[in-house]
Amino acid sequence: QKEVEQDPGPLSVPEGAIVSLNCTYSNSAFQYFMWYRQYSRKGPELLMYTYSSGNKEDGRFTAQVDKSSKYISLFIRDSQPSDSATYLCAMRKTGNQFYFGTGTSLTVIP
Amino acid sequence: GAGVSQSPSNKVTEKGKDVELRCDPISGHTALYWYRQSLGQGLEFLIYFQGNSAPDKSGLPSDRFSAERTGGSVSTLTIQRTQQEDSAVYLCASTRGPDGETQYFGPGTRLLVL
Repeated sequence: QKEVEQDPGPLSVPEGAIVSLNCTYSNSAFQYFMWYRQYSRKGPELLMYTYSSGNKEDGRFTAQVDKSSKYISLFIRDSQPSDSATYLCAMRKTGNQFYFGTGTSLTVIP
Repeated sequence: GAGVSQSPSNKVTEKGKDVELRCDPISGHTALYWYRQSLGQGLEFLIYFQGNSAPDKSGLPSDRFSAERTGGSVSTLTIQRTQQEDSAVYLCASTRGPDGETQYFGPGTRLLVL
């Protein structure tokens, strides 16, 4: 079993839709949770960072962490064509090892 | 300020040749990571540097792969006797310290082995 599971999609939504992206994990020691956005032929770009459980909001993006269910989510409100990218979840215990999901490909159709 | 930079951005080589990939982390970031990303795959951890030391090189897939870091800054990933299965995007990331909260990625080097 992989440490981090992420549905690869692809996910296709109309412009203006609310997008929900999710990851599950197996290791309860994970404390730090991140979402990255990766455009085609570019490196991943940090979108959201969350420590432990709870919600964090930044503009149209909301990150949720539910440690009891070992489940994290990224919500995108009023999705735009420029949001079309691959979204990677990542998490970390203490120390140097980061664990990544395989990424979900999102297309927002104008 | 400047982000993580990598060079070359693209590299095409023939099977059996050696290649060197370079990473320049964010100034002041002491931790540096190399990853490999193949089409449709997630990020595969290769090696981690703290300063010039590599306390975790568990992800290097074979002894054809090596990496070094000098001056606590620039790092070079070397692949000897390249094989077609080495074709991938090689990504470098840096964090502020050994327990840095988040990683900042470079744009990657796209390696194609013919």
